[in-house]
Amino acid sequence: DIQMTQSPSSLSASVGDRVTITCRPSQTISTYLNWYQQKPGQAPKLLIFGASSLQSGIPSRFSGSGSGTDFTFTISSLQPEDFATYYCQQSYDTPFTFGQGTRLEIK
Amino acid sequence: QVQLVQSGAEVKKPGSSVKVSCKASGGSFTSYAISWVRQAPGQGLEWVGRIIPLLGMTHYAQKFQGRLTVTADKSTSTAYMELGSLISDDTAVYYCVRDHGTSNQFDPWGQGTLVTVSS
Repeated sequence: DIQMTQSPSSLSASVGDRVTITCRPSQTISTYLNWYQQKPGQAPKLLIFGASSLQSGIPSRFSGSGSGTDFTFTISSLQPEDFATYYCQQSYDTPFTFGQGTRLEIK
Repeated sequence: QVQLVQSGAEVKKPGSSVKVSCKASGGSFTSYAISWVRQAPGQGLEWVGRIIPLLGMTHYAQKFQGRLTVTADKSTSTAYMELGSLISDDTAVYYCVRDHGTSNQFDPWGQGTLVTVSS
């Protein structure tokens, strides 16, 4: 199985800050890397697919980059509605494993 | 616009089985796969298994082999996940999700079904 190491596990930030989350798979996955946002009591929501493609309807302050074994997710200017938990996921091979999540909290 | 609607919450005894349904609407059921993902209380996301309805092909996470069955009924555009030999650690919200596209991305998600295993 491909193990996904996501960091940090939690992050405190303020509205307007730029935040970055990293995700490192245990083996190369090309660009088969997706990012999701989850708010309490809700299903996850797709933000970024294929490492860098923005899902339709998602604000452009969200972005992703990387390939192989090194990926980054960035929110350029935090908005109040962005405080949530974020997960990376590899879709290169089954089982489609997730990172452990990054909880983004208000400072 | 594809929508996925899941069956309601379940309470099960240890050792029993649960079957969760996921009805798709608004798209072609045979043009994508359906994955199942679970989330234990306060925990992260765990991929459970997947079915490609057009082919009937399934893939399961190794830890569920032997007690997981994922099926799909093309006539009703409904996918099913049946998990047997339940233990308390199977208590979780189970989500179905469309698994499609160039990156096998997961979108949209069903609303989730809480399965509680308790004696």
